[in-house]
Amino acid sequence: TQLLEQSPQFLSIQEGENLTVYCNSSSVFSSLQWYRQEPGEGPVLLVTVVTGGEVKKLKRLTFQFGDARKDSSLHITAAQPGDTGLYLCAGVSRAGNMLTFGGGTRLMVKP
Amino acid sequence: NAGVTQTPKFRILKIGQSMTLQCAQDMNHNYMYWYRQDPGMGLKLIYYSVGAGITDKGEVPNGYNVSRSTTEDFPLRLELAAPSQTSVYFCASRWDPLSEAFFGQGTRLTVV
Repeated sequence: TQLLEQSPQFLSIQEGENLTVYCNSSSVFSSLQWYRQEPGEGPVLLVTVVTGGEVKKLKRLTFQFGDARKDSSLHITAAQPGDTGLYLCAGVSRAGNMLTFGGGTRLMVKP
Repeated sequence: NAGVTQTPKFRILKIGQSMTLQCAQDMNHNYMYWYRQDPGMGLKLIYYSVGAGITDKGEVPNGYNVSRSTTEDFPLRLELAAPSQTSVYFCASRWDPLSEAFFGQGTRLTVV
């Protein structure tokens, strides 16, 4: 089992603050994805990172894949209430067949 | 395109009953997955399939079975429902290992 641990589990911040969510594992992944899930819906893909050390930006969101491809982070700059949701990291196994998720980080951004 | 369709949306089962959760996708994806999500938690992989006729266990397969006779359909079977199987079940599919996984709307199952 390729365990993915996310931290923190919960985060409540004020609008305009910055935050970082971490996704760590002892396993190496061929790639890693970040999803966001709204209540009552399935997760929706934000980004896929493939190369160790890779950094991708999506507006105010910055994603980084660790050099060893075992960990990743999501940084949100100037958080807005619309960023509220459950953020999930998901690792793709080296064989490419399994997609396993972390426990999620529930983010609440207060106006 | 319908994407990934799950049925039913809601179901209440009594302990010991059986049921099949249906999942169908119309995107010709080879990779399909079943997850369960307990309240406030992440998704746990139950079973997955990399193509018709091929299935494999995920992280929490006990109490479940799957089949993949066609590319489109990937049903999940609960044989003897237990309260511990109360959860929201998501089916997902994707084209290849690097592509986005598309999820269904979920099936909320309660076992009483």
